Formats: sequence, C-alpha cells, structure tokens
Amino acid sequence: GQQLNQSPQSMFIQEGEDVSMNCTSSSIFNTWLWYKQEPGEGPVLLIALYKAGELTSNGRLTAQFGITRKDSFLNISASIPSDVGIYFCAGRYNNNDMRFGAGTRLTVKP
Amino acid sequence: DVKVTQSSRYLVKRTGEKVFLECVQDMDHENMFWYRQDPGLGLRLIYFSYDVKMKEKGDIPEGYSVSREKKERFSLILESASTNQTSMYLCASRKGPRGRDTQYFGPGTRLTVL
Repeated sequence: GQQLNQSPQSMFIQEGEDVSMNCTSSSIFNTWLWYKQEPGEGPVLLIALYKAGELTSNGRLTAQFGITRKDSFLNISASIPSDVGIYFCAGRYNNNDMRFGAGTRLTVKP
Repeated sequence: DVKVTQSSRYLVKRTGEKVFLECVQDMDHENMFWYRQDPGLGLRLIYFSYDVKMKEKGDIPEGYSVSREKKERFSLILESASTNQTSMYLCASRKGPRGRDTQYFGPGTRLTVL
C-alpha cells in the first residue's frame, strides 16, 4: 500500500525557532493526523483534521488539511527541548485504512 | 484515558523460534491493529481486527498470524522468527469504524531476532 511522502526527514534547530514539516500524497484522504513519538514510546496523537482547508491548533502546534486533500503540514512555534522526537503524519482513506509518513526526526539544541 | 499495553518492551529471540506478542486495551474498542516500524519506512500494517475472532491482512502479513479470542486482547504470532523480522512492533486500538474515532498506540515491543 502507498505510504505518504513526509519531509524533511530530520531537522536540527535551535531552541526558540519555529519548525515546519509536511506530508503529501498522490491520493485523497478524508482525515489527516499528526503523531509524536518519543524514544521508547508509541506514537501519541497531537492533532486530527477532518475537513479540507481545516486549520487546527494545539498549544504551540498548528496543522492544516490541504484544500486538495492530498497534503497536510504541521508547524511548531518557539520550539523547546521537550519537542524532541519523531513526528509522523497519517492519512486515512476510509475507516480502517490508514497510511503513515516515514517521520521527521526533530532535534532541538538548547 | 485509553490504555493500550504490550506484554514486553524488549524481546530477544533466536531464528526459528515461535514468538508471541500480546496487546491489551482497556476501553472496549472494536478495532485493533498490529504495525511494524522500521527506520525510513514509517509504520506498516501487518494485520488488523474489527471484532472478536475477525482478522484482516494488512500490507505485510507474510510470516505473521494473529489471534483475537477476546475483545480486549490481540496477539501477533511469528510462527518461525527470522532475522528480517527484527523490528519495533506497535499495537493500536480504535473504538470503531466511525469517521472521527482516534487510534491509540501502545508503547511498542522492540524485537531482535538473532
């Protein structure tokens, strides 16, 4: 099955900087999800998007569901050291078919 | 809070051994999933189950089987472990096949096959 194209693969940033990552697909999705995974843990849901064009925030995180329904981005503002981890996008075609990006590994230098 | 637990965080097995990975969720969810996670490949679906005793193949079912005898428990079985099955295995559950239900993950089992 098709996986999503997520970029960048990794980011090394200074504390306080803003971060942006995105996912694209050649197919349409009905739902976009963004997860964060910390070392040794399973992914934890950050933001869920259900409508094309939807823009949703969760604290310093903002994500948007692209109007073409084939892409999504996640922004993190004013990064802090605890933002370190791997961020995954996921798209759902129908109710049980979810596809994942390969992840963006974020490193934040204090 | 939803809780998805996995029986082991780390496992080391030998080639040819039969391996059982257990997953339990405590929120009466209908749907449960097994993924493997490999660097650069993201999460790939091995099997999922939408009800007790029901199972569906995911994208990479070869070399694996599953069992769901009770609603809260979903087991992944490696009949004869091979080195290419060394990976992180993640279990997930979801309430049901409704559009806005969230999928929750367990902490993962890191399996090494020698």
